[in-house]
Amino acid sequence: GEDVEQSLFLSVREGDSSVINCTYTDSSSTYLYWYKQEPGAGLQLLTYIFSNMDMKQDQRLTVLLNKKDKHLSLRIADTQTGDSAIYFCAETSSTNAGKSTFGDGTTLTVKP
Amino acid sequence: DTAVSQTPKYLVTQMGNDKSIKCEQNLGHDTMYWYKQDSKKFLKIMFSYNNKELIINETVPNRFSPKSPDKAHLNLHINSLELGDSAVYFCASSPPTDFSSYNEQFFGPGTRLTVL
Repeated sequence: GEDVEQSLFLSVREGDSSVINCTYTDSSSTYLYWYKQEPGAGLQLLTYIFSNMDMKQDQRLTVLLNKKDKHLSLRIADTQTGDSAIYFCAETSSTNAGKSTFGDGTTLTVKP
Repeated sequence: DTAVSQTPKYLVTQMGNDKSIKCEQNLGHDTMYWYKQDSKKFLKIMFSYNNKELIINETVPNRFSPKSPDKAHLNLHINSLELGDSAVYFCASSPPTDFSSYNEQFFGPGTRLTVL
């Protein structure tokens, strides 16, 4: 079945860039997503990328997709303490519409 | 407010009891989900309903029974609660997927279940 993997923890200093990585196995993935979960709350969609794109930029966020290597990354520029959260990578595929496969989440800690 | 809401937010109960968690969405979505998030924050899908019909049932003990009285509600009933059921349970919903399979999910705030 589909699998999505992420490293579990990342710690950065305030003002630095953060890069969170994700790998997936499903070659028919059509959309890849980054969700953010703040403490005590549900997940919220942060950004997404369509599989025929290799980059998407949205203010401080840059998503890079390497479809050949099935690798997705989320770069957060000028990381702030408010960015401390769990970031989940997810994917949907053309063969399994209506179901998203989530990674295990990366806990980002931003130190002042 | 338009949102996915869950009740209760916290649930503390004894082993062996039966409990229910309710979920409602007023986003007009067709598909609703239940997820379990364990103490390590790993998120696992449990069930998915589309227009009141079960479409995903992921290896969940049959002590867990989802019920969808209408497409805006998906409740989760748990019989004979066990210690290992302690977790945060999230309800989510998503709009209809077209041929592109875009599937943004909208999550509720979670219900923290503690089984003593």
